[in-house]
Amino acid sequence: TQLLEQSPQFLSIQEGENLTVYCNSSSVFSSLQWYRQEPGEGPVLLVTVVTGGEVKKLKRLTFQFGDARKDSSLHITAAQPGDTGLYLCAGPDRGSTLGRLYFGRGTQLTVWP
Amino acid sequence: ETGVTQSPTHLIKTRGQQVTLRCSSQSGHNTVSWYQQALGQGPQFIFQYYREEENGRGNFPPRFSGLQFPNYSSELNVNALELDDSALYLCASSPDRGRRDGYTFGSGTRLTVV
Repeated sequence: TQLLEQSPQFLSIQEGENLTVYCNSSSVFSSLQWYRQEPGEGPVLLVTVVTGGEVKKLKRLTFQFGDARKDSSLHITAAQPGDTGLYLCAGPDRGSTLGRLYFGRGTQLTVWP
Repeated sequence: ETGVTQSPTHLIKTRGQQVTLRCSSQSGHNTVSWYQQALGQGPQFIFQYYREEENGRGNFPPRFSGLQFPNYSSELNVNALELDDSALYLCASSPDRGRRDGYTFGSGTRLTVV
Protein backbone atom coordinates (compact mmCIF):
# COMPACT_ATOMS: atom_id res chain seq x y z
CA THR A 1 0.00 0.00 0.00
CA GLN A 2 1.28 3.44 -0.90
CA LEU A 3 0.38 5.67 2.02
CA LEU A 4 -0.03 9.42 1.81
CA GLU A 5 0.11 11.35 5.06
CA GLN A 6 -1.40 14.82 5.10
CA SER A 7 -0.80 17.51 7.68
CA PRO A 8 -2.23 19.28 9.44
CA GLN A 9 -5.51 17.41 9.67
CA PHE A 10 -7.41 20.58 10.58
CA LEU A 11 -6.57 24.23 9.94
CA SER A 12 -8.67 27.22 10.98
CA ILE A 13 -7.46 30.67 9.96
CA GLN A 14 -8.66 34.23 9.38
CA GLU A 15 -9.25 35.69 5.96
CA GLY A 16 -6.05 37.18 4.53
CA GLU A 17 -3.63 34.79 6.22
CA ASN A 18 -1.23 32.52 4.35
CA LEU A 19 -1.04 28.78 4.90
CA THR A 20 0.75 25.66 3.76
CA VAL A 21 -0.49 22.08 3.88
CA TYR A 22 1.65 19.03 3.32
CA CYS A 23 1.40 15.63 1.70
CA ASN A 24 4.15 13.11 2.51
CA SER A 25 4.91 9.52 1.62
CA SER A 26 7.72 7.01 1.93
CA SER A 27 6.91 5.89 -1.61
CA VAL A 28 7.87 7.50 -4.89
CA PHE A 29 4.97 8.61 -7.04
CA SER A 30 5.05 9.24 -10.77
CA SER A 31 2.71 12.16 -10.15
CA LEU A 32 0.54 13.64 -7.42
CA GLN A 33 -2.85 15.24 -7.71
CA TRP A 34 -4.52 17.77 -5.43
CA TYR A 35 -8.28 17.85 -5.06
CA ARG A 36 -10.62 20.11 -3.10
CA GLN A 37 -13.84 18.68 -1.72
CA GLU A 38 -16.70 20.75 -0.37
CA PRO A 39 -19.47 19.38 1.88
CA GLY A 40 -21.94 17.23 -0.03
CA GLU A 41 -19.78 17.22 -3.15
CA GLY A 42 -17.18 15.01 -4.75
CA PRO A 43 -13.51 15.98 -4.98
CA VAL A 44 -12.61 18.45 -7.73
CA LEU A 45 -9.17 18.25 -9.32
CA LEU A 46 -7.02 21.35 -8.75
CA VAL A 47 -3.71 20.32 -10.24
CA THR A 48 -1.46 17.43 -11.23
CA VAL A 49 2.28 17.69 -10.58
CA VAL A 50 4.49 15.34 -12.53
CA THR A 51 8.15 16.38 -12.44
CA GLY A 52 10.28 16.32 -9.30
CA GLY A 53 10.81 19.89 -8.10
CA GLU A 54 7.92 21.17 -10.19
CA VAL A 55 6.06 24.26 -9.03
CA LYS A 56 2.61 25.09 -10.37
CA LYS A 57 0.58 28.18 -9.61
CA LEU A 58 -3.18 28.47 -9.77
CA LYS A 59 -4.06 32.05 -8.86
CA ARG A 60 -3.36 32.25 -5.10
CA LEU A 61 -2.53 28.55 -4.82
CA THR A 62 1.05 27.30 -5.29
CA PHE A 63 1.73 23.58 -5.56
CA GLN A 64 5.17 22.02 -5.26
CA PHE A 65 6.30 18.47 -5.94
CA GLY A 66 9.34 17.33 -3.98
CA ASP A 67 12.58 16.61 -5.81
CA ALA A 68 12.35 12.92 -4.84
CA ARG A 69 8.67 12.78 -5.82
CA LYS A 70 7.69 11.56 -2.36
CA ASP A 71 6.04 14.71 -1.08
CA SER A 72 4.09 17.76 -2.12
CA SER A 73 2.88 20.99 -0.61
CA LEU A 74 0.07 23.42 -1.24
CA HIS A 75 0.53 27.05 -0.27
CA ILE A 76 -2.38 29.47 -0.26
CA THR A 77 -1.71 33.20 -0.18
CA ALA A 78 -4.23 35.58 1.36
CA ALA A 79 -6.81 32.90 2.07
CA GLN A 80 -10.47 33.69 1.45
CA PRO A 81 -13.64 32.11 2.89
CA GLY A 82 -14.22 30.52 -0.52
CA ASP A 83 -11.05 28.47 0.00
CA THR A 84 -12.79 26.56 2.79
CA GLY A 85 -12.90 22.84 2.08
CA LEU A 86 -11.17 19.48 2.40
CA TYR A 87 -7.88 19.39 0.51
CA LEU A 88 -6.88 15.92 -0.61
CA CYS A 89 -3.69 14.73 -2.21
CA ALA A 90 -3.72 11.57 -4.30
CA GLY A 91 -1.17 9.51 -6.15
CA PRO A 92 -1.55 6.78 -8.79
CA ASP A 93 -0.78 3.13 -8.17
CA ARG A 94 2.91 2.52 -8.78
CA GLY A 95 3.95 -0.04 -11.35
CA SER A 96 0.49 -0.63 -12.68
CA THR A 97 -1.50 0.45 -15.67
CA LEU A 98 -4.48 0.63 -13.37
CA GLY A 99 -5.67 4.14 -12.69
CA ARG A 100 -6.18 3.49 -9.00
CA LEU A 101 -5.54 6.52 -6.80
CA TYR A 102 -4.31 6.43 -3.23
CA PHE A 103 -5.71 9.34 -1.24
CA GLY A 104 -4.52 10.94 1.94
CA ARG A 105 -6.99 11.71 4.75
CA GLY A 106 -7.03 15.34 3.76
CA THR A 107 -6.63 18.71 5.45
CA GLN A 108 -9.87 20.37 6.49
CA LEU A 109 -9.37 24.10 5.97
CA THR A 110 -11.74 26.69 7.40
CA VAL A 111 -11.22 30.35 6.53
CA TRP A 112 -13.19 32.80 8.68
CA PRO A 113 -14.26 36.21 7.36
CA GLU B 1 -23.41 15.01 -21.52
CA THR B 2 -20.97 16.70 -19.19
CA GLY B 3 -20.12 15.86 -15.60
CA VAL B 4 -20.69 12.76 -13.55
CA THR B 5 -24.13 12.19 -12.07
CA GLN B 6 -24.85 9.82 -9.19
CA SER B 7 -28.15 8.61 -7.82
CA PRO B 8 -29.62 8.56 -5.32
CA THR B 9 -27.96 11.35 -3.34
CA HIS B 10 -28.93 9.86 0.02
CA LEU B 11 -30.06 6.40 1.05
CA ILE B 12 -30.90 4.66 4.31
CA LYS B 13 -30.80 0.87 4.43
CA THR B 14 -31.10 -1.78 7.10
CA ARG B 15 -28.26 -4.13 7.97
CA GLY B 16 -28.40 -7.27 5.80
CA GLN B 17 -30.16 -5.56 2.89
CA GLN B 18 -28.79 -5.06 -0.59
CA VAL B 19 -28.24 -1.73 -2.35
CA THR B 20 -27.56 -0.56 -5.91
CA LEU B 21 -25.94 2.81 -6.53
CA ARG B 22 -25.89 4.34 -9.99
CA CYS B 23 -23.50 6.57 -11.88
CA SER B 24 -23.69 8.26 -15.25
CA SER B 25 -20.25 9.17 -16.56
CA GLN B 26 -19.15 11.77 -19.07
CA SER B 27 -19.49 10.72 -22.68
CA GLY B 28 -16.23 9.26 -23.94
CA HIS B 29 -14.97 8.33 -20.48
CA ASN B 30 -14.24 4.63 -20.80
CA THR B 31 -12.90 4.27 -17.27
CA VAL B 32 -15.03 4.42 -14.15
CA SER B 33 -13.84 3.92 -10.60
CA TRP B 34 -15.78 3.64 -7.39
CA TYR B 35 -14.50 4.91 -4.07
CA GLN B 36 -15.78 4.68 -0.51
CA GLN B 37 -15.21 7.69 1.72
CA ALA B 38 -15.90 7.15 5.41
CA LEU B 39 -16.39 10.17 7.63
CA GLY B 40 -13.08 11.93 8.26
CA GLN B 41 -11.18 9.78 5.79
CA GLY B 42 -9.92 10.11 2.25
CA PRO B 43 -11.59 8.09 -0.50
CA GLN B 44 -10.67 4.40 -0.61
CA PHE B 45 -10.54 2.59 -3.95
CA ILE B 46 -13.18 -0.14 -4.36
CA PHE B 47 -12.72 -1.15 -7.98
CA GLN B 48 -12.33 0.14 -11.49
CA TYR B 49 -14.06 -0.76 -14.75
CA TYR B 50 -12.47 -0.22 -18.13
CA ARG B 51 -14.46 -0.87 -21.26
CA GLU B 52 -17.12 -2.77 -19.29
CA GLU B 53 -14.74 -5.17 -17.54
CA GLU B 54 -13.46 -5.05 -13.97
CA ASN B 55 -9.91 -3.80 -14.23
CA GLY B 56 -8.76 -3.93 -10.64
CA ARG B 57 -10.07 -4.14 -7.10
CA GLY B 58 -9.09 -2.66 -3.79
CA ASN B 59 -9.32 -4.30 -0.40
CA PHE B 60 -13.09 -4.84 -0.43
CA PRO B 61 -14.95 -8.15 -0.06
CA PRO B 62 -16.82 -9.84 -2.94
CA ARG B 63 -20.16 -8.58 -1.67
CA PHE B 64 -19.11 -5.32 -3.35
CA SER B 65 -19.66 -5.77 -7.07
CA GLY B 66 -20.21 -3.60 -10.09
CA LEU B 67 -21.19 -3.26 -13.69
CA GLN B 68 -20.28 -0.82 -16.45
CA PHE B 69 -22.56 -0.39 -19.47
CA PRO B 70 -21.83 0.75 -23.02
CA ASN B 71 -23.72 4.00 -22.49
CA TYR B 72 -21.11 5.19 -19.92
CA SER B 73 -23.35 4.35 -16.96
CA SER B 74 -22.31 2.04 -14.16
CA GLU B 75 -23.57 0.47 -10.95
CA LEU B 76 -22.15 -0.42 -7.58
CA ASN B 77 -23.95 -3.24 -5.78
CA VAL B 78 -23.42 -4.08 -2.14
CA ASN B 79 -24.97 -7.22 -0.64
CA ALA B 80 -25.49 -8.10 3.00
CA LEU B 81 -25.01 -4.53 4.19
CA GLU B 82 -23.06 -3.97 7.38
CA LEU B 83 -23.08 -0.94 9.67
CA ASP B 84 -19.49 -0.11 8.61
CA ASP B 85 -20.67 0.25 5.01
CA SER B 86 -22.12 3.62 5.99
CA ALA B 87 -20.13 6.12 3.93
CA LEU B 88 -20.11 8.44 0.94
CA TYR B 89 -19.76 6.42 -2.26
CA LEU B 90 -18.08 8.27 -5.09
CA CYS B 91 -18.04 7.47 -8.76
CA ALA B 92 -15.19 8.87 -10.84
CA SER B 93 -14.65 8.74 -14.58
CA SER B 94 -11.73 9.43 -16.88
CA PRO B 95 -10.87 9.08 -20.56
CA ASP B 96 -7.36 7.89 -19.75
CA ARG B 97 -7.52 6.00 -16.43
CA GLY B 98 -6.85 9.27 -14.64
CA ARG B 99 -3.11 9.02 -14.75
CA ARG B 100 -2.34 12.56 -15.89
CA ASP B 101 -5.59 14.43 -16.11
CA GLY B 102 -7.16 13.11 -12.95
CA TYR B 103 -10.69 11.96 -12.48
CA THR B 104 -14.03 13.72 -12.65
CA PHE B 105 -15.95 12.81 -9.54
CA GLY B 106 -19.67 12.78 -8.97
CA SER B 107 -21.21 14.33 -5.87
CA GLY B 108 -21.60 10.92 -4.32
CA THR B 109 -24.29 8.86 -2.66
CA ARG B 110 -24.47 9.11 1.12
CA LEU B 111 -25.38 5.61 2.36
CA THR B 112 -26.46 5.11 5.95
CA VAL B 113 -26.87 1.55 7.23
CA VAL B 114 -28.93 1.20 10.41
